[in-house]
Amino acid sequence: DQQVKQNSPSLSVQEGRISILNCDYTNSMFDYFLWYKKYPAEGPTFLISISSIKDKNEDGRFTVFLNKSAKHLSLHIVPSQPGDSAVYFCAASEGSSSNTGKLIFGQGTTLQVKP
Amino acid sequence: DTGVSQNPRHKITKRGQNVTFRCDPISEHNRLYWYRQTLGQGPEFLTYFQNEAQLEKSRLLSDRFSAERPKGSFSTLEIQRTEQGDSAMYLCASSLLGALNTIYFGEGSWLTVV
Repeated sequence: DQQVKQNSPSLSVQEGRISILNCDYTNSMFDYFLWYKKYPAEGPTFLISISSIKDKNEDGRFTVFLNKSAKHLSLHIVPSQPGDSAVYFCAASEGSSSNTGKLIFGQGTTLQVKP
Repeated sequence: DTGVSQNPRHKITKRGQNVTFRCDPISEHNRLYWYRQTLGQGPEFLTYFQNEAQLEKSRLLSDRFSAERPKGSFSTLEIQRTEQGDSAMYLCASSLLGALNTIYFGEGSWLTVV
């Protein structure tokens, strides 16, 4: 039972353009969402997060949008840079476990930004 | 380097052998987590500690797996009688109490069971 799904295994964009990574979830109890970036041979690094009480959170070139009715969130990267090439994971935390740090991850989307 | 440290980074073992991984968290972090990641999948939660107390274990953590954090500092994850299905990356993470956006992951320990 995959509660967090990233249906696009890969995405390729041109440098300077927008990258949009998508994530869907099924558990309506999820109330906190995070995006992680992972380079090969490294652990995931935190990128940006959003609480379910918001529908948008922005941090520099990165913006996360949350659509609770559709159980969908997306990460926008503008402008995309070659250094953004990595695997991006969407993760969610349920209300009851938001205080435990237990995260449910999607399968990941590999982003390639071409110069 | 004051990040989360894991060792060994790579381990190849024969089926049936025992292996142990060590994690040194960020020093002021009282939460410590173990996750497992297989190829093409995202990390899956295994267990977590608050200080030395193990507060939750996933059903993925069979009886062959045991994790400890004896003094609330470093942690070990032992896998007994390894099976080929145990081949994965084992990720350790740490955080401050209840702060989800301060969960920092280590570089992981790759296990290959042959």
